[in-house]
Amino acid sequence: GESVGLHLPTLSVQEGDNSIINCAYSNSASDYFIWYKQESGKGPQFIIDIRSNMDKRQGQRVTVLLNKTVKHLSLQIAATQPGDSAVYFCAELTQGGSEKLVFGKGTKLTVNP
Amino acid sequence: NAGVMQNPRHLVRRRGQEARLRCSPMKGHSHVYWYRQLPEEGLKFMVYLQKENIIDESGMPKERFSAEFPKEGPSILRIQQVVRGDSAAYFCASSPGLAGAGETQYFGPGTRLLVL
Repeated sequence: GESVGLHLPTLSVQEGDNSIINCAYSNSASDYFIWYKQESGKGPQFIIDIRSNMDKRQGQRVTVLLNKTVKHLSLQIAATQPGDSAVYFCAELTQGGSEKLVFGKGTKLTVNP
Repeated sequence: NAGVMQNPRHLVRRRGQEARLRCSPMKGHSHVYWYRQLPEEGLKFMVYLQKENIIDESGMPKERFSAEFPKEGPSILRIQQVVRGDSAAYFCASSPGLAGAGETQYFGPGTRLLVL
């Protein structure tokens, strides 16, 4: 089965609010995690990544948190905008093993104006 | 620097026909990956190639599917004798090196295959 999953399939927020998208993974050997954004009809777009030697990483308006103890990953989007509406996937990879990314099913984020 | 290019963007085939999907990686990228996505699902790994070599094809069906990445030209994912269950979006990704070396996979826009 999938080693990466999501707690919520859909998330609806108001424009300007902060969004939190969660992801659980089951492979404790995974050491590299990526968040991708996929808009309708397009390919996944890289947002931010984090390696297992970190527990937090910040980008522009986005923050990824990694909790290795409970094997949980989250993506926080600050001041969510309508353009953030998309499906968000977390993906994991085990360095030193196969180079294949293992994706979760995704969370659909809808931003209401 | 152009991104990963895929063509065609949409492909319609009848059962039993062949489908050829092309992927041109980003300039400077020598690693190519193919993934398949069914509606409302995440992407599933199919195959990982470097120039002229298949590195990992553990996600590829044993029959009817093949992939290549020749020395010159794009990577090709070939599906012979397509069936309705092959209908999906096929995404190609490329990277300049290994994730273990800190490289990320970047995705193309995908080819949406519809088998009638």
